[in-house]
Amino acid sequence: DIQMTQSPSSLSASVGDKVTISCRASQTIGSHLNWYHQRPGKAPKLLIYAASSVQTGVPSRFSGSGSGTDFTLTISSLQPEDFATYFCQQSSKTPYTFGQGTKLQIK
Amino acid sequence: QVQLVQSGAEVKKPGSSVKVSCEASGGTFGNYAISWLRQAPGQGLEWIGGIIPIFGTANNAQKFDGRVTIVADESAGIVSMDLSSLTSEDTALYYCATEPTNSPWQTFDSWGQGTLVTISS
Repeated sequence: DIQMTQSPSSLSASVGDKVTISCRASQTIGSHLNWYHQRPGKAPKLLIYAASSVQTGVPSRFSGSGSGTDFTLTISSLQPEDFATYFCQQSSKTPYTFGQGTKLQIK
Repeated sequence: QVQLVQSGAEVKKPGSSVKVSCEASGGTFGNYAISWLRQAPGQGLEWIGGIIPIFGTANNAQKFDGRVTIVADESAGIVSMDLSSLTSEDTALYYCATEPTNSPWQTFDSWGQGTLVTISS
């Protein structure tokens, strides 16, 4: 199975800050990388697919980059509703696998 | 986008089986595949397996071989997952999610509300 490793595991930031979350795959996955966030008590929500394509309806402050094994999610200016847990997911091969999550907290 | 509604919470004994269902609010899954995932308390997400309802073809992660059965009733707009030989490690929130089949990119783009399955003696 492809292992996905996110960093950091937690992050404190303020409204208006720019934040970056990293995700590394244990083998090359091309651009087959998705990002989700999950608010407490809610189901995950797709933000970014194919490493850098923003899902319809997702604000433009979210962006993704990378290919191969190293990927990045960037939030350009944090809003209160962005404080959540973020997951990366590889969609290159089954079983689809996820990173362990990055909890973004208010500073 | 298809909206998904899942069945209610379950409490099961070790060694037993559980069936969780997922219904398309519009009555059909259209061109979507449906996957099942789970999230143990305070943990990350794990893909269990999926099915393309219009074809009935299912697959699952090797970890669940022999324990999971995923079936679809396309005419009723319902997909069900049966998980057997339950242990405490199967205690989790189980989600169904849609996967578009008409895109070159695999995603889980719409999720059910989740079904809590608790294994307790």
